[in-house]
Amino acid sequence: GENVGLHLPTLSVQEGDNSIINCAYSNSASDYFIWYKQESGKGPQFIIDIRSNMDKRQGQRVTVLLNKTVKHLSLQIAATQPGDSAVYFCADRGNYGGSQGNLIFGKGTKLSVKP
Amino acid sequence: DAGVIQSPRHEVTEMGQEVTLRCKPISGHNSLFWYRQTMMRGLELLIYFNNNVPIDDSGMPEDRFSAKMPNASFSTLKIQPSEPRDSAVYFCASSLGRTGGEAFFGQGTRLTVV
Repeated sequence: GENVGLHLPTLSVQEGDNSIINCAYSNSASDYFIWYKQESGKGPQFIIDIRSNMDKRQGQRVTVLLNKTVKHLSLQIAATQPGDSAVYFCADRGNYGGSQGNLIFGKGTKLSVKP
Repeated sequence: DAGVIQSPRHEVTEMGQEVTLRCKPISGHNSLFWYRQTMMRGLELLIYFNNNVPIDDSGMPEDRFSAKMPNASFSTLKIQPSEPRDSAVYFCASSLGRTGGEAFFGQGTRLTVV
C-alpha cells in the first residue's frame, strides 16, 4: 500500500548561511524548552535549552529565542555547516493535566545544508 | 558515563510474540521516559517515571503495552502480544530532576514485527 508518512517541514540552506528553525507550542504552563537534533539512525541529541523566565539564550553557534506571548520558539544556527544537516525538534516540559515534568516533542523540521 | 543504554538495538519478531525492550538510565538521573518514533506519528511519549514511579502513562497505546522500573538503574517496556503496527523505533531517555534538566536519549531499539 501507499506509504504515507509524517510530512516534515524542510529548510534548505547554503553552507555558511544562517538557519532559523521555528516551533510553536500550545501549553501556556510550559516552563522549560529544549531543542534537540536528530541525525539519521541516532537518538535525539540535546542542543540548547531555555527557561520561561528568559527570552534569549546563546550557545556555540546557536541561539534560542522564546516569545511566550505568542508561544513561539526559534533556533538560530550561525554559519550553518553540512554537519548540521538533521531533523530538529523543539520540546517543552510543563504541567500536562497534572503530569508535571512530561517532555513533549514537536513534529520536527528537517534541515538540509547544501555545500 | 556511557549514557543511556538500550538493548537490543534491533529486534525482529513475529506477530503475537512477546517483546521486551530494556533501558539503563544515566546514573543519578531520577526521571525516565519511553518514547516511540514512527514516520506517521513522529516522536510520541509513552510513559514517564519519576523516582521509579510511573507519573503519566496516558501515552501507552493499549493494554498490550506495559512498562516497569523496578529500580533506579533499569526499566523495561513490554509488548504482549506484538502486532505489525507496533513496528517503530523505541527510545528511552533520562534526566536529572522532575521539572528541569534536559533529557538524554539512548540510541533506540528498532522493532520490526512481521
